[in-house]
Amino acid sequence: NAGVTQTPKFRILKIGQSMTLQCTQDMNHNYMYWYRQDPGMGLKLIYYSVGAGITDKGEVPNGYNVSRSTTEDFPLRLELAAPSQTSVYFCASSLAGSTDTQYFGPGTRLTVL
Amino acid sequence: AQSVTQPDIHITVSEGASLELRCNYSYGATPYLFWYVQSPGQGLQLLLKYFSGDTLVQGIKGFEAEFKRSQSSFNLRKPSVHWSDAAEYFCAVGAQDTGRRALTFGSGTRLQVQP
Repeated sequence: NAGVTQTPKFRILKIGQSMTLQCTQDMNHNYMYWYRQDPGMGLKLIYYSVGAGITDKGEVPNGYNVSRSTTEDFPLRLELAAPSQTSVYFCASSLAGSTDTQYFGPGTRLTVL
Repeated sequence: AQSVTQPDIHITVSEGASLELRCNYSYGATPYLFWYVQSPGQGLQLLLKYFSGDTLVQGIKGFEAEFKRSQSSFNLRKPSVHWSDAAEYFCAVGAQDTGRRALTFGSGTRLQVQP
């Protein structure tokens, strides 16, 4: 039981490049989330999903896209990377919604130069 | 909308000393409250949570937290801190009866432990 896994662990992008951050969970959780963590700012919700085929925006969705074609996978897409997207990205999952424990992946540290 | 405030950005304590990390929330009904810990370079791990019932909850690693409705607080405590407790601690609130489906996190408190 691996829990929530994220790849890659680290990535450096140039301005304007695109990339996809991968997230997979093996706990059969309905809810999945993407957060970004900036120093001193806590975690900000980018997108979340309540099940396969259903996604919704969080607090800071601009510049990102998501899809949820299966229960297990919830990739985050950056289309045109900007320096403001330099951050640490965490994927999380939970069985229920905001009243349930969220399980976090180890994070992806992204730098945009 | 709910919100969480962690007033202390950084706290330093000596090993063996007691610890209290403050958390205040804003929400109209009974909240679902969580404390998470993040060790350097790691993801977040749940320490404890409060949903209902006994207002003093026990968690992992010897931590406990007390829900005080009158003060809108959910402070985290540990009687004797170990060097391995050095980490960042996040308080979070969830709500069942709003459209928001995710937790709202505070900005975190970084704990440094002196030998």
